[in-house]
Amino acid sequence: SQTIHQWPATLVQPVGSPLSLECTVEGTSNPNLYWYRQAAGRGLQLLFYSVGIGQISSEVPQNLSASRPQDRQFILSSKKLLLSDSGFYLCAWTGGRNTEAFFGQGTRLTVV
Amino acid sequence: LAKTTQPISMDSYEGQEVNITCSHNNIATNDYITWYQQFPSQGPRFIIQGYKTKVTNEVASLFIPADRKSSTLSLPRVSLSDTAVYYCLVGDRLTGGGNKLTFGTGTQLKVEL
Repeated sequence: SQTIHQWPATLVQPVGSPLSLECTVEGTSNPNLYWYRQAAGRGLQLLFYSVGIGQISSEVPQNLSASRPQDRQFILSSKKLLLSDSGFYLCAWTGGRNTEAFFGQGTRLTVV
Repeated sequence: LAKTTQPISMDSYEGQEVNITCSHNNIATNDYITWYQQFPSQGPRFIIQGYKTKVTNEVASLFIPADRKSSTLSLPRVSLSDTAVYYCLVGDRLTGGGNKLTFGTGTQLKVEL
């Protein structure tokens, strides 16, 4: 069966520090991968998506970047965090078009 | 890009049927309609997907009229545990396969005793 792992679950980082969130998928190949951010009480904002290794599409210009070094690995990074980067970050994958999306457990990031 | 419009919030009582309607006037011919449920501090969870007419599974039904410009998620006999945000998604194909999965603001359903 397929599983998605996202870590860490919670993170408190000072302003200006770097960020690296990792997401891995097991049990499938060539998934479509997604990173979302959700501010408190708000909807999910799509940050990045990827249809293959090394292919990253950015939805919103911001202080973040994403990489897909391996087929089932998706990394969200920042060189210098801002207060506005705080939020709930979610990784997701799908097997293709019109297929069900599966989400990780999320990372609660607080920038202080 | 098929944008969706849903009510921001809905209130109901335990045991009642809840219908949440989503408008998607620009839905493309090949687009499916998918609904997700999200609880606080969790990722969304797939509920149901359909293309036309009616789809039913163990938790919900999805009604899609002939013009497909809207859809209605029906939750039979809701309970307190159905209190969540419900999202409607359509289309938004990616080159190379898959959908972009752009979530709207969703509908906050609150179920009371």
